[in-house]
Amino acid sequence: GAVVSQHPSWVICKSGTSVKIECRSLDFQATTMFWYRQFPKQSLMLMATSNEGSKATYEQGVEKDKFLINHASLTLSTLTVTSAHPEDSSFYICSAPDSTDTQYFGPGTRLTVL
Amino acid sequence: AQSVSQHNHHVILSEAASLELGCNYSYGGTVNLFWYVQYPGQHLQLLLKYFSGDPLVKGIKGFEAEFIKSKFSFNLRKPSVQWSDTAEYFCAVNGLNNNDMRFGAGTRLTVKP
Repeated sequence: GAVVSQHPSWVICKSGTSVKIECRSLDFQATTMFWYRQFPKQSLMLMATSNEGSKATYEQGVEKDKFLINHASLTLSTLTVTSAHPEDSSFYICSAPDSTDTQYFGPGTRLTVL
Repeated sequence: AQSVSQHNHHVILSEAASLELGCNYSYGGTVNLFWYVQYPGQHLQLLLKYFSGDPLVKGIKGFEAEFIKSKFSFNLRKPSVQWSDTAEYFCAVNGLNNNDMRFGAGTRLTVKP
């Protein structure tokens, strides 16, 4: 199947700093990518849809100014958590659909905000 | 809005037992259906998917799922589980022309050796 990578796999930062997470589709192009958040022992919650060449669309309750999304190319989307706080600590996962609309998921990024 | 419900939060089985995990969805249109598995410490992997055609779908590692349109269900089955099947299983759905995927809450499967 297709491969989606994320970088970094884990990050620890101080409260108030910003963290950028990259999501790449390695062997296919994706005009759309998705960002999810997963709390411990819970399901994935869709945060936003990243659209190549246009603004991201955010789910209700997700602050667009806090979670900045940039879909720079057909293989790269970035999520920047701005002014991170301990409550932003979570597991962030991206996905991208291939040409058959099958979603492939990245390995996730564990963010810990001290 | 589409939603997905998984009936079992935690299932504990002995090796060789049969498995069935329930999944029901709510969506006002044609859907694509998926089961994903997340092994401990690993990322989500696709087990199987249904887009159209034969409602009985076979996936990897001996898993299968049956789409019953009248019941809005897509239950996952395996005739004989192994210890290595211990994982979290997620049912997911998206609309036919919509990549916005919604997940169920997940079912944790523990297989005792």
